[in-house]
Amino acid sequence: DGGITQSPKYLFRKEGQNVTLSCEQNLNHDAMYWYRQDPGQGLRLIYYSQIVNDFQKGDIAEGYSVSREKKESFPLTVTSAQKNPTAFYLCASSQGPLNTEAFFGQGTRLTVV
Amino acid sequence: AQSVAQPEDQVNVAEGNPLTVKCTYSVSGNPYLFWYVQYPNRGLQFLLKYITGDNLVKGSYGFEAEFNKSQTSFHLKKPSALVSDSALYFCAVRDIRDSSYKLIFGSGTRLLVRP
Repeated sequence: DGGITQSPKYLFRKEGQNVTLSCEQNLNHDAMYWYRQDPGQGLRLIYYSQIVNDFQKGDIAEGYSVSREKKESFPLTVTSAQKNPTAFYLCASSQGPLNTEAFFGQGTRLTVV
Repeated sequence: AQSVAQPEDQVNVAEGNPLTVKCTYSVSGNPYLFWYVQYPNRGLQFLLKYITGDNLVKGSYGFEAEFNKSQTSFHLKKPSALVSDSALYFCAVRDIRDSSYKLIFGSGTRLLVRP
């Protein structure tokens, strides 16, 4: 069953803690992305990676970190430096050419308690 | 800089009527344009894309979109709306000259189809 798997579906974080969101794809896609979704603001790009061992900051990278050690995995760490982390986080992947669409995971809802 | 505007937060239509969800874009080069749909607490599903060629593109679930270069628009349309079309719709753009693979999204439009 091909696709993108995000886990966990729901995550609760205490203030001051780092948490890591998992994203795995078995589509053999080169590019992977992390977006944050807040009500009324659409999707904002946090980080993206075009190839293994390489990634770039998106528009709202502060307080987040990523790694791309394997082609199929692109975990996102929400650090304590992220002041307002409560949001819905979406991971996506796409094949290399620019004219290809991105495929999305089902999302992780992170709540700070 | 690339940007996408969806000027309507919500669109309301009656079932069976045609629907239009508006999208305008801004890129420095030529665009690749996409429409996605999102159901509550789910990821985004791809509907259709414009790459090149015919300005009218057809996609999933009976949706279509018209690319208008002079108006920098890519409006999503459907001839006859269904209640099950009610969802959040996102327009997205890539700049053909940007090799970064960045996909920029609009703020989304909520479509409500009433029975």
